[in-house]
Amino acid sequence: GAVVSQHPSRVICKSGTSVKIECRSLDFQATTMFWYRQFPKQSLMLMATSNEGSKATYEQGVEKDKFLINHASLTLSTLTVTSAHPEDSSFYICSARPWNTEAFFGQGTRLTVV
Amino acid sequence: SQELEQSPQSLIVQEGKNLTINCTSSKTLYGLYWYKQKYGEGLIFLMMLQKGGEEKSHEKITAKLDEKKQQSSLHITASQPSHAGIYLCGADIGYNNDMRFGAGTRLTVKP
Repeated sequence: GAVVSQHPSRVICKSGTSVKIECRSLDFQATTMFWYRQFPKQSLMLMATSNEGSKATYEQGVEKDKFLINHASLTLSTLTVTSAHPEDSSFYICSARPWNTEAFFGQGTRLTVV
Repeated sequence: SQELEQSPQSLIVQEGKNLTINCTSSKTLYGLYWYKQKYGEGLIFLMMLQKGGEEKSHEKITAKLDEKKQQSSLHITASQPSHAGIYLCGADIGYNNDMRFGAGTRLTVKP
């Protein structure tokens, strides 16, 4: 099946710094990429949807200036958590979707802000 | 907006028992996708259903989409501890390649 590589898998950063998470579709072109956040023992919470070359569409309650999403090519999207704080600690997952097929998920990034 | 309701929210079964998870939509489903997640990992695609009445099976997991295309079920036969995890249904939203998910069903299989 199609592979989505998400990097890094784990990151620890100091409060106030920024962290960038990459999501790459390795063997297909992703029309759309999605970013999710997941809290312990809860389901996925969609943060934003992005199409290549367009601005991301953020879900209500998600701060676009806090969570910067760039989707510069059909195979790469990045999520930057700016000025991270301990409450931003979470599990972040990306998915990439070709047109009108199933979506493929990265393995997730566990962010810990200390 | 279309919402996907999953039931039950959590399920604990004894190994060897059968179980069913449901996913219901308020609107017609044009593409319904089932995924499994082990917490702390990514999602694994299980099956996609598109036609009313469609049924697909893989090993001991069977997914069905009803004729009205508003409800899907995921059935696991003779459950095993390896089936434990979170099962999520996802559906196409509109025509812009957007996909939304239900809240998930957390399955625990007791040995």
